[in-house]
Amino acid sequence: AQKVTQAQTEISVVEKEDVTLDCVYETRDTTYYLFWYKQPPSGELVFLIRRNSFDEQNEISGRYSWNFQKSTSSFNFTITASQVVDSAVYFCALSSRLYNNNDMRFGAGTRLTVKP
Amino acid sequence: DSGVTQTPKHLITATGQRVTLRCSPRSGDLSVYWYQQSLDQGLQFLIQYYNGEERAKGNILERFSAQQFPDLHSELNLSSLELGDSALYFCASSQRTGDYGYTFGSGTRLTVV
Repeated sequence: AQKVTQAQTEISVVEKEDVTLDCVYETRDTTYYLFWYKQPPSGELVFLIRRNSFDEQNEISGRYSWNFQKSTSSFNFTITASQVVDSAVYFCALSSRLYNNNDMRFGAGTRLTVKP
Repeated sequence: DSGVTQTPKHLITATGQRVTLRCSPRSGDLSVYWYQQSLDQGLQFLIQYYNGEERAKGNILERFSAQQFPDLHSELNLSSLELGDSALYFCASSQRTGDYGYTFGSGTRLTVV
């Protein structure tokens, strides 16, 4: 079965703090893809990053960084020096070849509030 | 603008009614996915179409149906609506498979009163 767990339901930080959003996944497949999406208050889902299961290199994009660890089945997302505009719900998602990438499973989401 | 167009943006209807949600995928994308986002259920996969054919089914109720037309736009039909069907319905598209992720539309917010 495929499953994504985001244990943190809500996180609140003060601007300029660093924050890490956790994501743990389960899959039987050896080829899979992990994603993070952002859902700001306006409601749309914005693609942030894609990582395939063979690429464990961490990635940094500006204030955003992602730590993929297959050993712990985790794909965590860190925002450095958070800003009010980072306030949103963040979703981690998983799709795998086993399911022909037809069914992207989302975690329950983490609501991040950044206070000024 | 993501390139995926969903209409209408908002819909208010009464219980027992039927509504149709429409989605135009991003240019060049052959796969269309429908997701339901409700407060207590999160983002739930409903159904996928690829080039006009149903490819995968998720937690879609029998009262719901979908189709993808030759021009690749898709419609999600919701009938005998109940209060619990109130949710944000997203359409997403991808080229073929979801290897590179999906591009989501801005959603249709359905309120059943």
